[in-house]
Amino acid sequence: DVKVTQSSRYLVKRTGEKVFLECVQDMDHENMFWYRQDPGLGLRLIYFSYDVKMKEKGDIPEGYSVSREKKERFSLILESASTNQTSMYLCASSLYGWTGANVLTFGAGSRLTVL
Amino acid sequence: AQSVTQLGSHVSVSEGALVLLRCNYSSSVPPYLFWYVQYPNQGLQLLLKYTTGATLVKGINGFEAEFKKSETSFHLTKPSAHMSDAAEYFCAVSDPTGSSNTGKLIFGQGTTLQVKP
Repeated sequence: DVKVTQSSRYLVKRTGEKVFLECVQDMDHENMFWYRQDPGLGLRLIYFSYDVKMKEKGDIPEGYSVSREKKERFSLILESASTNQTSMYLCASSLYGWTGANVLTFGAGSRLTVL
Repeated sequence: AQSVTQLGSHVSVSEGALVLLRCNYSSSVPPYLFWYVQYPNQGLQLLLKYTTGATLVKGINGFEAEFKKSETSFHLTKPSAHMSDAAEYFCAVSDPTGSSNTGKLIFGQGTTLQVKP
């Protein structure tokens, strides 16, 4: 089975701290995604990447950046964490390139609390 | 732009009863449609998907969904609920043409299914 691993399940940070959320997939998927999950809002796409060093903004990129230096790893960066970034962050990957039939494989999530 | 609306943020059924979770979409082209499930403290996993062909799609754990283009709907059903079905369910749509931010999914708000004994 494809596995998507998010290194931190629970994090507590202070306002203004720089936060790194790491995601690794082990099946050579081209596409990787970062979503944010909030009650009543579902999942909202922050950034995605379809190749190494390639990235595109999703629907809510403000306050976030990403890095993809290797195919298997996709990092989400909060340059200066704020309380409104308290949320569950989900990483996902998918195999194919430019097709809408992708099935996403999700990690277990990283729950971030910003105090 | 594509969008997904799930009617009802919470649905409660008795064990053994029919499960019906509603999903309507908006898309300028026939979309690909998905249902994902999220069990407590886990990531999302695919239940079923519709791309082309037969409009009634069967998924895992006895769930199925029917694509109705005229109603722009993709409702999820299961004839008989089990306690283990309690989870959050997400409907999602993607653009099959690849013309808009390729491969990404637009998710609905989610529906929490409660199953009562």
